[in-house]
Amino acid sequence: GNSVTQMEGPVTLSEEAFLTINCTYTATGYPSLFWYVQYPGEGLQLLLKATKADDKGSNKGFEATYRKETTSFHLEKGSVQVSDSAVYFCALSDLSGGYNKLIFGAGTRLAVHP
Amino acid sequence: SAVISQKPSRDICQRGTSLTIQCQVDSQVTMMFWYRQQPGQSLTLIATANQGSEATYESGFVIDKFPISRPNLTFSTLTVSNMSPEDSSIYLCSVERLQETQYFGPGTRLLVL
Repeated sequence: GNSVTQMEGPVTLSEEAFLTINCTYTATGYPSLFWYVQYPGEGLQLLLKATKADDKGSNKGFEATYRKETTSFHLEKGSVQVSDSAVYFCALSDLSGGYNKLIFGAGTRLAVHP
Repeated sequence: SAVISQKPSRDICQRGTSLTIQCQVDSQVTMMFWYRQQPGQSLTLIATANQGSEATYESGFVIDKFPISRPNLTFSTLTVSNMSPEDSSIYLCSVERLQETQYFGPGTRLLVL
């Protein structure tokens, strides 16, 4: 079945460092891909998405490109801030059951220090 | 996007009791979803709720344990029945918008003692 694999955390960075969180997927067809962020004590917020191969999603300085050839959707940010500390979830849309079911990765915790 | 609210935001319950969680959306939606996030874990879909029909449950989740109501196009409830400490989780509802995108409520944090 469809699945999402994320790099294990926690990822600890200093402010202004470059961030990469790896995400790869296994799926039949070409699902839409998403990154969600969960700040401490809050629900999930959509960070960015891409709906087809070679699409680049971007938001708040984060970006990710839908790579069909490597089945990847890695999240990047050029300069992280303390306020980016959160858990990041990669997800894909699974339509095999006749409805849109999101399949999530395990989540990667990011801690940014001043 | 969508504005989604959930009640209660958190609760502490005794084992053997039941809790009903409400989810309200600011506009009409066809499908609503209920997810569970166990401590330190990712999200798992419990069921999909369409207005006017029975919910569709994922493998490992049953209606007797997680009954769902969907009385109209802006509201749904999830009940966690006969709770045990293993039910301690965050329960989130979501709705689908364009291009298969789901938006989530703030979650209900449940602790069962």
